[in-house]
Amino acid sequence: EAQVTQNPRYLITVTGKKLTVTCSQNMNHEYMSWYRQDPGLGLRQIYYSMNVEVTDKGDVPEGYKVSRKEKRNFPLILESPSPNQTSLYFCASSLLTGVDQPQHFGDGTRLSIL
Amino acid sequence: KQEVTQIPAALSVPEGENLVLNCSFTDSAIYNLQWFRQDPGKGLTSLLLIQSSQREQTSGRLNASLDKSSGRSTLYIAASQPGDSATYLCAVSNQAGTALIFGKGTTLSVSS
Repeated sequence: EAQVTQNPRYLITVTGKKLTVTCSQNMNHEYMSWYRQDPGLGLRQIYYSMNVEVTDKGDVPEGYKVSRKEKRNFPLILESPSPNQTSLYFCASSLLTGVDQPQHFGDGTRLSIL
Repeated sequence: KQEVTQIPAALSVPEGENLVLNCSFTDSAIYNLQWFRQDPGKGLTSLLLIQSSQREQTSGRLNASLDKSSGRSTLYIAASQPGDSATYLCAVSNQAGTALIFGKGTTLSVSS
């Protein structure tokens, strides 16, 4: 089944403890991105990757890192999480570079940072 | 800076009713506009994508229109069903084509 898989789905952790949210797609997609969704603010892009080894900042990249060593994986890294990074996170992918085609989203990761 | 607004924020209708969800955006320089559906605890599902050169797209009971010059899009749902209950999100591409700019959504509830 074609899908975007995020892990973990839920995580409660403490300030300063490094964590990684994994994202994997099995559709051979070129483009991948991360969004966070917050009440009253909607979805905002954190980072995106046009293809392997190419990543760039979105609108809210502060406090996050990403890497794209393989086409299928695009992990989101929080080196020193803080409470303001408590949010619902979504990974998305699309076949070709950019957003001018349908985006496929994962089921989301709910992070709570105490 | 591009801003996307969706009205209304919430909508309740009885089953069988035809309904319209509205989306407006401030900058007409877009590549495309996409409508998504979000169910609780799930990700976003792409419903319709309208390229900037197109006026509308249809899929089953859904029809989306785009008027770039006025910065508006509508999502028309015909003969609504309880299974249509969800949050509907509108998004436009940024000028670089690297990100989607989302509205805050319209939460639809269809009662049987």
